[in-house]
Amino acid sequence: EDQVTQSPEALRLQEGESSSLNCSYTVSGLRGLFWYRQDPGKGPEFLFTLYSAGEEKEKERLKATLTKKESFLHITAPKPEDSATYLCAVQAVGTQGGSEKLDFGKGMKLTVNP
Amino acid sequence: GAVVSQHPSWVICKSGTSVKIECRSLDFQATTMFWYRQFPKQSLMLMATSNEGSKATYEQGVEKDKFLINHASLTLSTLTVTSAHPEDSSFYICSAQWSAGYTFGSGTRLTVV
Repeated sequence: EDQVTQSPEALRLQEGESSSLNCSYTVSGLRGLFWYRQDPGKGPEFLFTLYSAGEEKEKERLKATLTKKESFLHITAPKPEDSATYLCAVQAVGTQGGSEKLDFGKGMKLTVNP
Repeated sequence: GAVVSQHPSWVICKSGTSVKIECRSLDFQATTMFWYRQFPKQSLMLMATSNEGSKATYEQGVEKDKFLINHASLTLSTLTVTSAHPEDSSFYICSAQWSAGYTFGSGTRLTVV
């Protein structure tokens, strides 16, 4: 069974204190790994899609990387507005039934204090 | 691009009544839409997958007669919660697949009293 595990479940940082979020996954074959940001009471906001090991993508203070077993979301010099829940999701190759659904991790709540 | 508009953003209804939630893809055609449910401090749980013009595929444990999904056009999918009960209170989110991945609606907070 496909599994997605995010760690830590929650993280508190001081403004400017860089850190990394981990997403480990077990799938029969990876079609894509997705990172989303979710603010309270809102739908997930797309951040990155990674397709193959070694791939990296950056957006402002965020950088996502991918290996064959896990993905990291690096946050450099975070600001209070980066506070949110970060979700990792995987899309597996040959998903049962043909629907290309996403399997989500439980999310990681990030709080950045000023 | 790839915006999904979801309405209403919140709704309160009486127990036993039905509630309809709409999701529209504004600038692309959504062949496939997904409906999720999210409980407080938990991640998204897929309820069903809908394809335009065909019956929805429901995940195990999801009552298809309670959660009616219609995907009659390439830009509109609806979720109707029938005979709602307090335990149906939750945050419902739709998602559509497009060329670059998946985009999500803003969610609907349903409270059944």
